[in-house]
Amino acid sequence: DQQVKQNSPSLSVQEGRISILNCDYTNSMFDYFLWYKKYPAEGPTFLISISSIKDKNEDGRFTVFLNKSAKHLSLHIVPSQPGDSAVYFCAASAGYALNFGKGTSLLVTP
Amino acid sequence: DAGVIQSPRHEVTEMGQEVTLRCKPISGHNSLFWYRQTMMRGLELLIYFNNNVPIDDSGMPEDRFSAKMPNASFSTLKIQPSEPRDSAVYFCASSGRTSLEQYFGPGTRLTVT
Repeated sequence: DQQVKQNSPSLSVQEGRISILNCDYTNSMFDYFLWYKKYPAEGPTFLISISSIKDKNEDGRFTVFLNKSAKHLSLHIVPSQPGDSAVYFCAASAGYALNFGKGTSLLVTP
Repeated sequence: DAGVIQSPRHEVTEMGQEVTLRCKPISGHNSLFWYRQTMMRGLELLIYFNNNVPIDDSGMPEDRFSAKMPNASFSTLKIQPSEPRDSAVYFCASSGRTSLEQYFGPGTRLTVT
């Protein structure tokens, strides 16, 4: 049973525009959320995280928003760059274990 | 700093053979995780070690899978005997005492024919 869902398998955005990647979760016990970025033939790389006591965390071009009542989080990338093209995984934790979504493949076109 | 190191990067073996995957976590990290990635199921946690002790192995699919962590700098995941349905990418990840972020190795792509 998938507790973390990324319903969009792919997303295409023009360079310079905003990319918005979405993630939904079902377990209300999750209290920490992370986004990972993965290039082909590499392991996932930690990108940004947010605790459940916050609703926004920003790091440069990357911002994560958390809506606990809707059990929804999103990752905003502004402005998008071609180097951002990768698969993005959402993950949620209620302790040590990370529960991953299946990923969204982002393509940023010039 | 060296990241998480995994070997081999690719493994092709025949059904029935024993396969051993290796992982060196980031120095100073006290938690180690083995994951499996498949198209159907995505990234799944297989086993979690804390201070070299297996804490949660509920994700290990069956008795053919075993994992060890003899010391803080080395872990193995063994499949014996291997089957074609074990074909996947296996990732090792580690994390430190004060952080929930896990750092992943490059993975081992296993193909069982």
